[in-house]
Amino acid sequence: KAGVTQTPRYLIKTRGQQVTLSCSPISGHRSVSWYQQTPGQGLQFLFEYFSETQRNKGNFPGRFSGRQFSNSRSEMNVSTLELGDSALYLCASSFEREFNEQFFGPGTRLTVL
Amino acid sequence: AQSVTQPDIHITVSEGASLELRCNYSYGATPYLFWYVQSPGQGLQLLLKYFSGDTLVQGIKGFEAEFKRSQSSFNLRKPSVHWSDAAEYFCAVSDSWGKLQFGAGTQVVVTP
Repeated sequence: KAGVTQTPRYLIKTRGQQVTLSCSPISGHRSVSWYQQTPGQGLQFLFEYFSETQRNKGNFPGRFSGRQFSNSRSEMNVSTLELGDSALYLCASSFEREFNEQFFGPGTRLTVL
Repeated sequence: AQSVTQPDIHITVSEGASLELRCNYSYGATPYLFWYVQSPGQGLQLLLKYFSGDTLVQGIKGFEAEFKRSQSSFNLRKPSVHWSDAAEYFCAVSDSWGKLQFGAGTQVVVTP
């Protein structure tokens, strides 16, 4: 069974631009969560989608948004990029949220110049 | 609010020696606890998890963890480390909604 895939793996943007990251969960998984990892703040929860609905959201500004499609694939978007948005963005999927066992993708490394 | 503390930022251990990584959590109800490992440039791999039942949990790669409710701890152990165990290790607690709260991580260096 294929694991969680994230595209692109690396991305370089400049301040003020926007970016869209993609995540394909493990087949059959309906819950997708996004996390931001930085050296200073560590791993922080962004949001979680289940059956196309955002069920949980972390403490991030409205510039960070996401969505989930009917095939469970998910995208996250960051608008008006800031230097501090440079991070590794990790996507995780799980079959049912109640099981709480999440499988992570390799991440997208975003660099904002 | 839930929180996780990993007191050791960095640990150096000799190959073949035992390893113990500490994790303390704060959570109001019965916690769901996890240990993940991250190699450089990689995502997170689940080592083991605790939901309920036996407080000693076996995981992959020869790791085990013990849940101690009285101490609010979930320490990770391995009897004999291999050079390939060098990585960063994260303890995490999850609420019933599946939101993972991670500790700051412990960097493990393995020396010959």
